[in-house]
Amino acid sequence: QVHLVESGGGVVQPGGSLKLSCEASGFHFKDYAMHWVRQAPGKGLEWVAMIWYDGTTKFYPDSVKGRFIISRDNTENTVYLQMKYLRAEDTALYYCVTDPPFSGYAFHSWGQGTLVNVSS
Amino acid sequence: QSVLTQPPSVSAAPGQKVTISCSGSSSNIGNNYVCWYQQLPGTAPKLLISNNDERPSGIPDRFSGSKSGTSATLGVTGLQTGDEADYYCGTWDSSLSAVVFGGGTKLTVL
Repeated sequence: QVHLVESGGGVVQPGGSLKLSCEASGFHFKDYAMHWVRQAPGKGLEWVAMIWYDGTTKFYPDSVKGRFIISRDNTENTVYLQMKYLRAEDTALYYCVTDPPFSGYAFHSWGQGTLVNVSS
Repeated sequence: QSVLTQPPSVSAAPGQKVTISCSGSSSNIGNNYVCWYQQLPGTAPKLLISNNDERPSGIPDRFSGSKSGTSATLGVTGLQTGDEADYYCGTWDSSLSAVVFGGGTKLTVL
C-alpha cells in the first residue's frame, strides 16, 4: 500500500526558506515521477513541481520558478522541495503525490500534506 | 484564473445524475489525457478518473469520464450524500510544460 508522509512545514517569515520532505513507501519509488501540489486555505489545487523518476528532468510553474527546487534521493525513497524567497501567497498545504509510469500525469496517491505559513 | 475552466458549483437530488464540465484548449485537454479528482471536506484529493475515462481500482462505476475536443466531462450517477465534495480536473499543458488544474467544482447533493 502506497504511503506518503510529508514533513518540514511550519511558520516562516516572508523572504525566508523552508525545505519539505516526503518519505515514500509501498511502491517502486525509483520508477515513479513525483510531484508537489499545494492548496491555499479555502482555494483550489495548484501544481508546484515535478521530478522525473531518475531526477534528470524537473518542471515548475512560473509562480515558483527560480525560488523552489525539487529533488529526490532514490536510495532513501524521499522527495524534497527546497523553498526560498517565500511570499505570503506561498502559504498553503503542500501535498506530495505519485505519478506512476505511463499514467499520463495522473496523481494516483497523495500524502496528507504539510502546512506552510508565510507570515511576519 | 485557472487554465482549465470548471463551473464553481453544481447540485442535484439524491439518486439523480450530474455532470461537471472542464474546458481547456488544444495545448492541454485537446492533446493530453484528462484526470479527475474528488476532495471530500478536510481530506486530501483522491484520483477518480485517469486517462480521460479510466477508473482506478476501487472507484465505483457511478463515476465516469469523457473527453471531446478541448473539453472533458465528469459524470456521477446515483448521487449519494457522501458524494458531496470538490471535484477538480487536471491535465498536462504542452505549451506551458506544466500540470494544470481547473478551479474546482463544489457538488451539493440536495
